[in-house]
Parts: sequence; structure tokens; C-alpha cells
Amino acid sequence: AQSVSQHNHHVILSEAASLELGCNYSYGGTVNLFWYVQYPGQHLQLLLKYFSGDPLVKGIKGFEAEFIKSKFSFNLRKPSVQWSDTAEYFCAVTPSNTGKLIFGQGTTLQVKP
Amino acid sequence: DTGVSQDPRHKITKRGQNVTFRCDPISEHNRLYWYRQTLGQGPEFLTYFQNEAQLEKSRLLSDRFSAERPKGSFSTLEIQRTEQGDSAMYLCASSLEGSTEAFFGQGTRLTVV
Repeated sequence: AQSVSQHNHHVILSEAASLELGCNYSYGGTVNLFWYVQYPGQHLQLLLKYFSGDPLVKGIKGFEAEFIKSKFSFNLRKPSVQWSDTAEYFCAVTPSNTGKLIFGQGTTLQVKP
Repeated sequence: DTGVSQDPRHKITKRGQNVTFRCDPISEHNRLYWYRQTLGQGPEFLTYFQNEAQLEKSRLLSDRFSAERPKGSFSTLEIQRTEQGDSAMYLCASSLEGSTEAFFGQGTRLTVV
């Protein structure tokens, strides 16, 4: 079965620290990959997505992610986090053209000012 | 606000009661998805519609759950004979066919007591 695994459940960083959140998926075919963010009290919002082409994708608010096909990974990075990045982050894949998303369990990021 | 709208935002019900949630997607979106999210987990796919047709249902959607989208616009999700295990956030999302970017509502939080 298709699945998504996020390695870190809870990450605590100080402002200006660098961030990397791990995401691995299991699916042998072509996938579309996403990172969604959920700020406290708000709905899920798309941070970035990968469909094809350049494996390094840039998203909103300075986030980027790298697709490494050989490792089935799509890790999220940000060079310098801010207090406002405190949120829950979800990696997701769509393994078919239905648009159905399969999510990881999420990573809670807490940034200390 | 022209985003995805869900009603109610919160629902507390007694075990055994029936509940119904409503989702109004972004108006031009023909695909509509329901997900369920429990504490500490990512959203889990329940079902999706393309226009008024329900094209896929997860095994998570037991026979106590039914979803409709009668005119291809808003959708309802009904849970009959609620159980404590149904307590969760129910999320609705919509997208355009051919676009894999889904837009999420703020969800309906169900508490079964």
C-alpha cells in the first residue's frame, strides 16, 4: 500500500536555525509530491509541490524541497526559520490522477523567539 | 471569502446520534474530497466526488458513513449512530480536474461524548 513517512514528529528550533524535515514515500510509480502547512487555528495550505523537472522546488515563505527519486524522499528545508514558521507540516503524495492525497503523520515545528 | 467553507466548525454529539456536515467547495471546482484527521495524525482520505459522482471510497468509510454531492456543488457527510471513535476533525477539500492542487476548508471538529 502507498504510504508516507515523516521522520520527525516534533521539532524545536531557535529563530535563525536551519530546518530540514524528512519525508519518504512508498510507491513504485510516478507520483506528485507536496508539502502542506497548517498554522495554529488555520486550514491546510500548500507550501510547495513537485510534479516533474527540476528536483529542487521552491515554495512560499523561503521553503524549498528536494526530490530524490532513488531514495523515495522529498525533504523540506529552510535556511533560517522564524517564529512565525511555528506550525504543523505535512508531506503528501498523489499516486494517481484522482488528486487523492496520502499524507504523512505530520511534524510539529516549534520555533522559539 | 471564496475559499472552501465547512459548517459547522464544531459539533458535540452524544454517542448513537446522527450528525451531518456540509462542505461548500470553491465554486468552479468539480472535484471534492473528504478527509478525517485524528490527533497526532495526518489527514486520511475518506471519499471523493467528481461533479455529482462519488468515484472512490476508502475502507475507512464504514456503512455508517454516507456522503453526497447531489448537484455537483456542495457536499454533505453524514455519520449515523456515532461512536466515540468517530471523534476527529473532518476536512473537505476541492480542486479542478486536471489540477492536483487541493484547497482545504477549516474543518468540522466532531466530539462524540
